[in-house]
Parts: sequence; C-alpha cells; structure tokens
Amino acid sequence: AQSVAQPEDQVNVAEGNPLTVKCTYSVSGNPYLFWYVQYPNRGLQFLLKYITGDNLVKGSYGFEAEFNKSQTSFHLKKPSALVSDSALYFCGANNLFFGTGTRLTVIP
Amino acid sequence: EAQVTQNPRYLITVTGKKLTVTCSQNMNHEYMSWYRQDPGLGLRQIYYSMNVEVTDKGDVPEGYKVSRKEKRNFPLILESPSPNQTSLYFCASSSLAGDGTDTQYFGPGTRLTVL
Repeated sequence: AQSVAQPEDQVNVAEGNPLTVKCTYSVSGNPYLFWYVQYPNRGLQFLLKYITGDNLVKGSYGFEAEFNKSQTSFHLKKPSALVSDSALYFCGANNLFFGTGTRLTVIP
Repeated sequence: EAQVTQNPRYLITVTGKKLTVTCSQNMNHEYMSWYRQDPGLGLRQIYYSMNVEVTDKGDVPEGYKVSRKEKRNFPLILESPSPNQTSLYFCASSSLAGDGTDTQYFGPGTRLTVL
C-alpha cells in the first residue's frame, strides 16, 4: 500500500538550533511532495513542495526540504529554530497521502 | 482574500441525526476535497471533486456523502452519524484537477462530536 511516514511523533529543539522533521514515502511513480504546518485551532498551511528539479526546495518562514530519491525521503529543515515554529507538521504526497504528523516544540 | 470557509466550526450531535458541514471557496478552484484528522492516523481523504457534478471516493468514504452543484461549494453530509465519525474535518481546494501538482488551501476545520 502506498503511504507517507513521519517516524517521529514529537521533535524538541532549542531555539536557535537547527531543526529537522523527517518524512519518507512509499508512493509509486514520481510523487509530488508537500509540507504543511498546522497551528492550534487552525487549518493546514502550505510550506513548500517538490515537483521536479533541484533537490533542495525553499519555502515559507525560512523552511527548506531536501528530496532524496534513493532514500525516498523528503525531510524538512530550518537552520535556526524559532519558538513561533512550534506547531504540527504534515508531510504529504500527491495531496492524497499524508503522514501522521510531527509535533515540533521549540524550547526558549 | 482567498479563503476556504467551513461551517459550523464546532458541532455536537447525537447518533443518527443527519447533519451537513458546509464548505465554500472563493478562488474559483476546480478541485475540492474533504479530509478527516484523527490522532495517530493523520489526514485521510473522504471524498473529492474534480469539478461541478464530478465527485469520487477517497480512502474513507463510508458513512459520508457529498455533492458539488456549484463550483464554490462542496458540502459534506452525514446521513446517520455514528460515534466513530467523531473527528476533526477539513475541506480543501486547489486550482488544478487534482493531479497533485498544485497547492491545496485548507479550511479552518470543523470539530464534530457524535454522542
């Protein structure tokens, strides 16, 4: 079955440190990959997407993601975390398959 | 302002009482979809629509109905709600015909509790 996996339910990082939120996928063909962020009591907001081309994709709020075809991964990264980045992050493929979400907490 | 709206935002109901959750978008998007979000299960697609009068089942369509009579509206109907439909529901829309390349815009969510 096709799926997207986010292996970590929770990620904690100190403010100012780099952060990584992991995502792997098992989807046929060449999927389009997305990251969304969800703040409390809000809907999902688009962060970035990979369709083709450069493996490093830059998105909103200083986030970027690295596509790795051999590892079927699409990890979300940010060089310096902010407290305001604390939220629930979802990885998705083709807007059909979503991971279970990773709660990021940035500690002041 | 481009947006997807959902109503109601919160709803508590009882088993078997028919309800409708409305969804409307003002971006002239062809593609609309409904998801439910449950702890540990992430987002799962219920139904989607490629355009007016064109709807299809997603991953978890059982117990739900939809209609797409107008391009901007995509209501979700629960004919006979059951407690296992207690969840957080999101409507979303995008401008392309659902091939996954375009960005989806999500509504604020509807938290439904079925007693």
